[in-house]
Order: sequence, then structure tokens, then C-alpha cells
Amino acid sequence: AQSVTQLDSQVPVFEEAPVELRCNYSSSVSVYLFWYVQYPNQGLQLLLKYLSGSTLVKGINGFEAEFNKSQTSFHLRKPSVHISDTAEYFCAVSRPQGGSQGNLIFGKGTKLSVKP
Amino acid sequence: DVKVTQSSRYLVKRTGEKVFLECVQDMDHENMFWYRQDPGLGLRLIYFSYDVKMKEKGDIPEGYSVSREKKERFSLILESASTNQTSMYLCASSLWGGPEAFFGQGTRLTVV
Repeated sequence: AQSVTQLDSQVPVFEEAPVELRCNYSSSVSVYLFWYVQYPNQGLQLLLKYLSGSTLVKGINGFEAEFNKSQTSFHLRKPSVHISDTAEYFCAVSRPQGGSQGNLIFGKGTKLSVKP
Repeated sequence: DVKVTQSSRYLVKRTGEKVFLECVQDMDHENMFWYRQDPGLGLRLIYFSYDVKMKEKGDIPEGYSVSREKKERFSLILESASTNQTSMYLCASSLWGGPEAFFGQGTRLTVV
């Protein structure tokens, strides 16, 4: 069975500091990997995705993530955060089922809090 | 832009009521999904559908049913609402084989 582990439930950081949100997954088959962001009282917005190819993936708002197959990780990074990055971040993997990439298994989320 | 619209942002219902949560997408997506989001648990899949009149159980289907009579609309039904169904409900859609899922704004349901 597939699973996703987000190693930190909360990450406090000062503005303009770098941040890394950690995500590990387990799967016996190849998967697609995603990071979503949820701002307060909003739905989920896709930050970035890894489907194949280059293991370094760039997304919106200056975020990037690196797929590491040997360590089964997909950590999210940003070199300099802003107050507006305060949100909850979810790592997800797709289930290898049919043609759907919306059938996702989510981690429990990491709340990023950026302080001035 | 893809738009997934959930009919209500906030709902308050009484225990035992039949509750309908509606979701409409405007991009002709084949796949539609209902997730439930609870603090500390992330999102969990309730039901999904790959086609009209087709449905599949997700990880936590107990106490829920769904209906998909038209391609653009996917309804989640709580046959008899209970307090443990108080939660945020998120609808999503994607193309068959598409690269990503698009989410609605969510419906925060409170059952009293």
C-alpha cells in the first residue's frame, strides 16, 4: 500500500529565511508526486508536480522540489520565504489506477508560519 | 481557467438530516472526487467517479453516497448526518490521464 509521511506538522520560520518541508513516500510502483498549498479558508492549489524526467521540479511562487527515488523523498524548498507563504502544505502521491492523477493519497500536512 | 465550484462554503445541519453537497466543474473533466479534510489527518478520499453514473469507493465511504447523473456534476450525499461528519469537504476534478487535480474552495459542514 502507498503512504505519504510529512515529517513536520508545523514549521515556523522568519521572513527571508530559507525553508524545507519534508515529504517521504512509500510505494512498490512508480508514482507521480505533488505538492499542494492551502491558504486559510481556501481550497487546494497545485504548487508543483513530478511526473517524469528531471528530478528537480520548479513550481509557482518560487518553490521547488527534488525527487529522490533512492530515499523515496520529495522535499519542498524555497530559498527566501515571505509572509504571504504562510499556509498549509500537502504532499501527495497518485495511485497507480487507471488514467487518473486526481486519485491522490495525501500526507497530513505541514503548517508553515512565516514571522516578520 | 479550470473552475470547480462547490455550492456552499458553509453549512450547518442537524443530526439525522439528509445532506447534499454539490460540485460542478466546467472543463469537461472525466474524473471527479470527494475528499474529507480533518485537522492532523490531511485529506482522505471518500468516493470518486471516472464517468457518468459510475462511482467507486475511496478510503472512507461509510456513511456517504454519491451521484453523478451528468458529466459536470458530482454530488456527495450524507443519508443521515451525524456529528462525526462535521468536517471540511473538498471536491476535485481531473482529465482522464491528466497531470493534476483541480480543487474547489471547500464546504465546511457542521452537524449539530
